[in-house]
Amino acid sequence: QVQLQESGPGLVKPSQTLSLTCTVSGDSISSGRYFWSWIRQHPGKGLEWIGYIYYSGTAYSNPSLKSRFTISVDTSKNQFSLKVSSVTAADTAVYYCARDAGGSTGLDYWGQGTLVTVSS
Amino acid sequence: QSVLTQTPSVSGAPGQRVTISCTGSSSNIGAGYDVHWYQQLPGTAPKLLIYGNNNRPSGVPDRFSGSKSGTSASLAITGLQAEDEADYYCQSYDSSLSGLHVFGSGTKVTVL
Repeated sequence: QVQLQESGPGLVKPSQTLSLTCTVSGDSISSGRYFWSWIRQHPGKGLEWIGYIYYSGTAYSNPSLKSRFTISVDTSKNQFSLKVSSVTAADTAVYYCARDAGGSTGLDYWGQGTLVTVSS
Repeated sequence: QSVLTQTPSVSGAPGQRVTISCTGSSSNIGAGYDVHWYQQLPGTAPKLLIYGNNNRPSGVPDRFSGSKSGTSASLAITGLQAEDEADYYCQSYDSSLSGLHVFGSGTKVTVL
């Protein structure tokens, strides 16, 4: 059974860098069968796709977002990560990781999400 | 501002049929990209409900169905049940964004 679990600090100070990790179990990132996505949801709002990464390290980010978002992968740990630099209160959101099965299949497995609050 | 537009809310009595629309444009749904639907129950992560326009993952009841036509897609729930009360999101891809993911604005389904 595929499971994804986000981890990281629940509280980050403005201007700092937010770092989140998604640990995958029940599947191998290095299989190359899927992309691995990050999505966020501002409080009471809709879903916003941040970007995804392939096992090779090739990453694509939402061009609508400024270039503060960096996605990386560690296949040895079966994890992928998200870094958001220079955070502001506008980055307060629930962050989800998900397995991305591609254009015809969608985001088929999701983590439970982690709430990140940006506040001093 | 979401690229895909959904009606903010729909409601229906138990047993009724409700439909949720997802309106896009020629650069996303109209360009032939598939549409997926997600259900988000209160306080939980989204769950894939419909993929590839009209396919249900294993375990999803057949009262949920999807369709796509032109620049729009729809999700229908027949035989509405209390546990269907949730937020629903459509998702597709957009060629103006290098074929990357776009979500709908979301629809709250209320069971009366």
